[in-house]
Amino acid sequence: DIQMTQSPSYVSASMGDRVTITCRASQSLSKWLAWYQQKPGKAPKLLIYSASSLQTGVPSRFSGSGSGTEFTLTISGLRPEDVATYYCQQGKSFPVTFGTGTKVDIK
Amino acid sequence: EVQVVESGGGLVQPGGSLRLSCVGSGFTFSSYSMNWVRQAPGKGLEWVSFISSASSNKYYADSVRGRFTTSRDNGRNSVYLQMNSLRDEDTAVYYCARDLGLWEEDYFDSWGQGTLVTVSS
Repeated sequence: DIQMTQSPSYVSASMGDRVTITCRASQSLSKWLAWYQQKPGKAPKLLIYSASSLQTGVPSRFSGSGSGTEFTLTISGLRPEDVATYYCQQGKSFPVTFGTGTKVDIK
Repeated sequence: EVQVVESGGGLVQPGGSLRLSCVGSGFTFSSYSMNWVRQAPGKGLEWVSFISSASSNKYYADSVRGRFTTSRDNGRNSVYLQMNSLRDEDTAVYYCARDLGLWEEDYFDSWGQGTLVTVSS
């Protein structure tokens, strides 16, 4: 199985800051990675797929980059509504696996 | 509007069975693969199962293989998860999620609100 590791597990930043979350895979994924946002008590929401493609309706302050085993989610200009937990997910092979999650908070 | 709605969760004793249902609307259900993903209380996301659009391919997480079975009825726009031999560690919110539909890439673009399964004596 492909193991997914996220860092940091928690980040607290000020409004307007740039926030970067890293996801590492135990083997190469090419570009087969997605990012999700999950707010408390809600279902996850797809933000980015294929490493850098923005899902329809997602604000452009969210961006993804990377390939192979290292990927990044960037929030450019943190807003209060971005407070959530973010997960990466590899879409290369079954079993599908998720990262451990990164909780983003506002200072 | 694309929607998926789960039902069937509840309290069940260890060793018991439960069947979850998920109905899709607002899209051509028979054209999409579907998945089940679960989340234990206070924990992260765990993928559970996949079923292709015509039911020709099914995959399961190691933790549920042999105990859970996924199926679908495209005439009813529904996908199911039959859960047998339930264990305490199966306690979770179970989400039904539509596959985005990219060739050989599996991502989940539409999720239901989730249904809670509690396994306890």
